[in-house]
Amino acid sequence: ETGVTQSPTHLIKTRGQQVTLRCSSQSGHNTVSWYQQALGQGPQFIFQYYREEENGRGNFPPRFSGLQFPNYSSELNVNALELDDSALYLCASSLGTSGQGDYYEQYFGPGTRLTVT
Amino acid sequence: AQSVTQLGSHVSVSEGALVLLRCNYSSSVPPYLFWYVQYPNQGLQLLLKYTSAATLVKGINGFEAEFKKSETSFHLTKPSAHMSDAAEYFCAVSYPRIGNTPLVFGKGTRLSVIA
Repeated sequence: ETGVTQSPTHLIKTRGQQVTLRCSSQSGHNTVSWYQQALGQGPQFIFQYYREEENGRGNFPPRFSGLQFPNYSSELNVNALELDDSALYLCASSLGTSGQGDYYEQYFGPGTRLTVT
Repeated sequence: AQSVTQLGSHVSVSEGALVLLRCNYSSSVPPYLFWYVQYPNQGLQLLLKYTSAATLVKGINGFEAEFKKSETSFHLTKPSAHMSDAAEYFCAVSYPRIGNTPLVFGKGTRLSVIA
């Protein structure tokens, strides 16, 4: 069984540019969550996609957007990059969305390290 | 606001010594609690989780944690540290009983193991 994969591994961009990060979910998983982990900090929730629809969003501006495709892979897009966007971006997939007492474990990918200069 | 506090950004122990990493949460709603480990240049791996069953939870690699509601704590322990335990550890909380809430992470504790 293939785990969660992310591409690229590393990326260097210039302030003001746009970037797209990709995530392939684990087989059978229909939910993808994205997190930003700044240096020395814990991961912060950006948003979640469930069956191709956004299903929850953290405190991030609209220039952070995403997509989920019919095969449940996902993209994170960041427009107008700022220096503070430099971070490790983590993707996690799960069998479903948690709620009403149900919990579905999130499986994390290795992350994409984005550096904005 | 729901949050997690990890006391100590860096903990150093000798090989074979007890490992104790502290985590406190703040919420009046029953939480689900998690400990994740992150090795350099890798993603997060779940060590263990508390989901309202037994309060003492055993995880992988010899780690365990105890949920103490009265202290709002979920500290991670391991009786005897190994060199391979050196990593970053994150405590996280979620509230699936009230809805699709995301994982909220603490800032992490870096564990160093000295030979």
